[in-house]
Amino acid sequence: KAGVTQTPRYLIKTRGQQVTLSCSPISGHRSVSWYQQTPGQGLQFLFEYFSETQRNKGNFPGRFSGRQFSNSRSEMNVSTLELGDSALYLCASSPVGTANLKAFFGQGTRLTVV
Amino acid sequence: GQSLEQPSEVTAVEGAIVQINCTYQTSGFYGLSWYQQHDGGAPTFLSYNALDGLEETGRFSSFLSRSDSYGYLLLQELQMKDSASYFCAAPNQAGTALIFGKGTTLSVSS
Repeated sequence: KAGVTQTPRYLIKTRGQQVTLSCSPISGHRSVSWYQQTPGQGLQFLFEYFSETQRNKGNFPGRFSGRQFSNSRSEMNVSTLELGDSALYLCASSPVGTANLKAFFGQGTRLTVV
Repeated sequence: GQSLEQPSEVTAVEGAIVQINCTYQTSGFYGLSWYQQHDGGAPTFLSYNALDGLEETGRFSSFLSRSDSYGYLLLQELQMKDSASYFCAAPNQAGTALIFGKGTTLSVSS
């Protein structure tokens, strides 16, 4: 089975721009979660989608948004980028019935805002 | 709120056994899971415990005691490649978000 795929792997953007990151979950997984990882803050939960519905959102400003498509693929968008948004953005998919205990991560998108 | 506490660093030598502890405070509890992350890489799922007791997966084992709000990851026959960060994590009350501890950096020396 193919793993979680995230694209692109690396991005460099300028302050004020917007960015869209993509995630394809493991086949059959309907839950997709997004995390931001920075050296100082660790792994911070952004949001979780299940069957195209956002079930939970972390403590991030409204500039961070996401969506999930009918094939479970997900995208997240960050608008009006700030320097502090530089981070590794990770997507994880989980099988049904595990309460997200078993999360399988993609390789991440490393975003640098300059 | 929900929080998970784990030591920030652990050091050990090749061939040794190391235990990484995790204590948690949650409202509602589904279980505890463990992840390994090498520098520059993504977290990799290692093990999870939904019930009390020990789960063994090769050289790695994970233990959970819900009455003590405590769990640990046990790594045996340590190898240099085990040098990485290890995270414990638990779902939120609704089971719709995985909350992570801040991670334990394991350094294995020869």
